[in-house]
Parts: sequence; structure tokens; C-alpha cells
Amino acid sequence: NAGVTQTPKFRILKIGQSMTLQCTQDMNHNYMYWYRQDPGMGLKLIYYSVGAGITDKGEVPNGYNVSRSTTEDFPLRLELAAPSQTSVYFCASTRRTGNSNQPQHFGDGTRLSIL
Amino acid sequence: AQKVTQAQTEISVVEKEDVTLDCVYETRDTTYYLFWYKQPPSGELVFLIRRNSFDEQNEISGRYSWNFQKSTSSFNFTITASQVVDSAVYFCALSEHKAGANNLFFGTGTRLTVIP
Repeated sequence: NAGVTQTPKFRILKIGQSMTLQCTQDMNHNYMYWYRQDPGMGLKLIYYSVGAGITDKGEVPNGYNVSRSTTEDFPLRLELAAPSQTSVYFCASTRRTGNSNQPQHFGDGTRLSIL
Repeated sequence: AQKVTQAQTEISVVEKEDVTLDCVYETRDTTYYLFWYKQPPSGELVFLIRRNSFDEQNEISGRYSWNFQKSTSSFNFTITASQVVDSAVYFCALSEHKAGANNLFFGTGTRLTVIP
């Protein structure tokens, strides 16, 4: 009963490096999301996807890219890491059913530091 | 625009005291959903409750209760007889009902510390 799985849990990057944060869910959810949580703040949406092949920007998309080739996976890519991207990243998923906004299920987060 | 305000940044209570966490929201939509999530020290986000804008009934689940008042745009959360395991950051969030993301707009959270 894995739910939403994020890897890695921790990572330190140097400025200018790139990396991909992995997210996979086994609940057959159609909607997936990436959020970032800065210290003392709530989560802010980076990108989201309503299904395989469909992605769109959230509130804070600059510096990130996503893809959704399968229902299960929704990786987040940082191309040129900057100190401002130091944060905790959460992936979430949910199933949109009819007219109801179901709760989102979250992964355990990836703590990323850019030095 | 959507906005969620949790004015209480940090609250400390002694074990067995009752505590209420405040949440005030703003939205132009008539249909929306409100959520509470708990983030314990381990860091994961745990879903607690969802309420839609047409259901103003208060809800009780064990020691937890929620008071939704559309007239004041508030969705407050009360923990009765608090326990040390309740120590966490609690987030209130808003999701509008429309085609598209249904993403969550989070408040900045309230850090609750229950002192034994």
C-alpha cells in the first residue's frame, strides 16, 4: 500500500546543477501535483497534471519542468539549480470524480538544498 | 483571488487543554472545498477533513471538531483534551471547484506544541 512515493528524500546540489525529483503513485489517480514548501510557509503549487500527456503551470513554475508520460509517474526537473530553489518538495495525487474535489494524497517530501 | 489566512503562527498548550486553530478564507467562487492537513515533526502531510461550501454542518471526529461558518468565511479546528501526539503544524487549505487543477491554496500553518 505505497500511495505516493517520492525519491530521493534528501539531496544537496551545487548552483547550476540539474536534477529530477521522482514521484510515482499506485492509486490510479488521474490528477498529480508538485508543491514546494519554504520554511514557515504553506505549500505553493509548481505544476500539475490532469492526466497522462497533460501538464500545466501552477503558481510558482519558473525554473522547473515536468512531464507526465504515464498515469503513475510525474517527475519534476530542475535545469539550473539556484539557491532560491532550496525547499521541501511535495508530490500529491488525487482522483477527480464527477464534481467532487477529493482530498489530495501527499508523498513524504524531498528536502533539497542548493549551495 | 483565493487566500487562506491562519493568523496564529504558534500556539502552546498544556496537555489536556482544549485548543482552537483559526482559519479564514477568501474566494469568489460559490462552490469550493476546505481542508485541514496535519504535518507532524516527521514532515509528511496527513489529511484530516474535507468540507464543501454547501455543507455547513459542524463535524466531530473523536477529539477533533470543525466549525464551518460561511457568514464569517471561517473554518476553525478544535482539539479537545489535547495530547502530546497532537504537536504538529496544521494547515488549512482551499480548493475551488472548477475545471482544471483543483489545486490547494494553503495557509501558512499554525504550529501547535502540546506540553506534557
